[in-house]
Amino acid sequence: DAGVIQSPRHEVTEMGQEVTLRCKPISGHNSLFWYRQTMMRGLELLIYFNNNVPIDDSGMPEDRFSAKMPNASFSTLKIQPSEPRDSAVYFCASTQKGAYEQYFGPGTRLTVT
Amino acid sequence: QKEVEQNSGPLSVPEGAIASLNCTYSDRGSQSFFWYRQYSGKSPELIMFIYSNGDKEDGRFTAQLNKASQYVSLLIRDSQPSDSATYLCAAEDPITGGGNKLTFGTGTQLKVEL
Repeated sequence: DAGVIQSPRHEVTEMGQEVTLRCKPISGHNSLFWYRQTMMRGLELLIYFNNNVPIDDSGMPEDRFSAKMPNASFSTLKIQPSEPRDSAVYFCASTQKGAYEQYFGPGTRLTVT
Repeated sequence: QKEVEQNSGPLSVPEGAIASLNCTYSDRGSQSFFWYRQYSGKSPELIMFIYSNGDKEDGRFTAQLNKASQYVSLLIRDSQPSDSATYLCAAEDPITGGGNKLTFGTGTQLKVEL
């Protein structure tokens, strides 16, 4: 299996622009997680889905952030408008229901100038 | 606010020594705990999980859990330079609907010196 796939790997954008991050989970996994990692705050859970349904979005920092999972093999995290403080590495992870291990994608390094 | 606390380090140990990484958590409802390793510029990968009080051993790694003290630790025996990484402790929140909602600590950086 190719593992969790994320794109783009790097994104540099200007403040105010829309940013869309993409994730393809491992086939057969039915839980998907979006995390953000910064030096100051560490790895924070933003939102997670079970069977394509958002379960908990309490970690989404504000309304500028939105996430969708239209089918079992694709999810997006959108930031509109982006701000410099959104600069971070964004990870997507997936797991099977009942399993202990989350498999992380390679991450998207976002820089907002 | 559920919290997982770790000393950021860096923790430096000589090659061949035992590295001891510690973690405390605030939510007594947490049942399962995880140690992820993250190399610089890479994504986290699971190395151990534990859900029962006591010790759990896997090769050179031993996880220890003390629910009364809300304390989790990871011991790495015979430390190797390849163990140099950041170690993230995570606590699982009990949830409905399946899946593992994790709260991560900020990580401890381990450096194994030759």
